[in-house]
Amino acid sequence: KNEVEQSPQNLTAQEGEFITINCSYSVGISALHWLQQHPGGGIVSLFMLSSGKKKHGRLIATINIQEKHSSLHITASHPRDSAVYICAVRRGATNKLIFGTGTLLAVQP
Amino acid sequence: EAQVTQNPRYLITVTGKKLTVTCSQNMNHEYMSWYRQDPGLGLRQIYYSMNVEVTDKGDVPEGYKVSRKEKRNFPLILESPSPNQTSLYFCASSLSGDGSNYGYTFGSGTRLTVV
Repeated sequence: KNEVEQSPQNLTAQEGEFITINCSYSVGISALHWLQQHPGGGIVSLFMLSSGKKKHGRLIATINIQEKHSSLHITASHPRDSAVYICAVRRGATNKLIFGTGTLLAVQP
Repeated sequence: EAQVTQNPRYLITVTGKKLTVTCSQNMNHEYMSWYRQDPGLGLRQIYYSMNVEVTDKGDVPEGYKVSRKEKRNFPLILESPSPNQTSLYFCASSLSGDGSNYGYTFGSGTRLTVV
């Protein structure tokens, strides 16, 4: 079993829909990151969370440390949101990152 | 422009021929790291560095070497490449090791094929 699991693996949505991507982890962590990988391959950091909730534009990320779970929400989705979304956790007090295998999101107009 | 620059973008090489993939950042970041990305396995960390002359292994360091002689550069060295090192490689940097303060900045990737 992977230490970081994402669901769903693939997600197709219609423009305007509310989207949720989930990340569960089984190790102790000091931080969790959400990344976005564009169709061309470039990777961008979206959020770093150690507790609570963060919001940036139409993106919202939450984390529940007790349940070892994080969610990434996209409100009013748009075709330009189509990308792979990757969850990564920083293991314990180290600077090692463990990644989920990603969620491929396609938003159709 | 603040960026992480990797070179080359594409490389095809033969088994056993030593190669170096360069990574350079212009943001005075303390932390730099290398990852490989494979279908079905996602991203995996190879090596990371907290500062000059400080490097540590990630989850898949076998077959790779790194060095951090200057703060801005963090080359990835494959002394004797093998076909199982065919992959997409990313370099990333951040101000601090935990990726706080603006997260990680990634390079554009290097697609390596070893035949």
